[in-house]
Amino acid sequence: GESVGLHLPTLSVQEGDNSIINCAYSNSASDYFIWYKQESGKGPQFIIDIRSNMDKRQGQRVTVLLNKTVKHLSLQIAATQPGDSAVYFCAEKWNSNSGYALNFGKGTSLLVTP
Amino acid sequence: NAGVTQTPKFQVLKTGQSMTLQCAQDMNHNSMYWYRQDPGMGLRLIYYSASEGTTDKGEVPNGYNVSRLNKREFSLRLESAAPSQTSVYFCASSPFSQRNQPQHFGDGTRLSIL
Repeated sequence: GESVGLHLPTLSVQEGDNSIINCAYSNSASDYFIWYKQESGKGPQFIIDIRSNMDKRQGQRVTVLLNKTVKHLSLQIAATQPGDSAVYFCAEKWNSNSGYALNFGKGTSLLVTP
Repeated sequence: NAGVTQTPKFQVLKTGQSMTLQCAQDMNHNSMYWYRQDPGMGLRLIYYSASEGTTDKGEVPNGYNVSRLNKREFSLRLESAAPSQTSVYFCASSPFSQRNQPQHFGDGTRLSIL
């Protein structure tokens, strides 16, 4: 899962396995959550989002789970492929002093091995 | 579809020089944002513009200024660059900052200050 510090946590999985990336968010008032994928040299790319009134949302090969009780978010990737290798960020949205800001986690590096 | 376009992609400055980073979006979005990303860190909000004609400070605004030139364009200016501003800068846009909608990112400007 995501953590504080200069070194990104890394998840290594074999091609074809399922991946689970975890994220602990900080604000119980957050009402919207997003997962982004960032490839080397690129900007963050939207994967999937979920609102706080939902526990689960599915996309193509991806599922996001939200546990508001423990302020935990997870991204599940089915049948992981080499092209899934990237850094994954979770982001939460709430009404802060800086407006409706997105607060990003520090990222998890996913490495898919053949 | 170009989405969010940032220029330049790379830049090297000397301490004390000034520079403007350009961002344009073609999705007719109302809200635009500037973030910085440092190694092993998530994205931190510098400034944002909820709509044309408005700008607000984010988490790390010191040393920066912004201009929302029109609905499409949002620029970030460093008046007197410092080595601590060496980073990758990302511009993003979304339909409305208040709504639960994802932000869409450009591919970044990699800025080094010597």
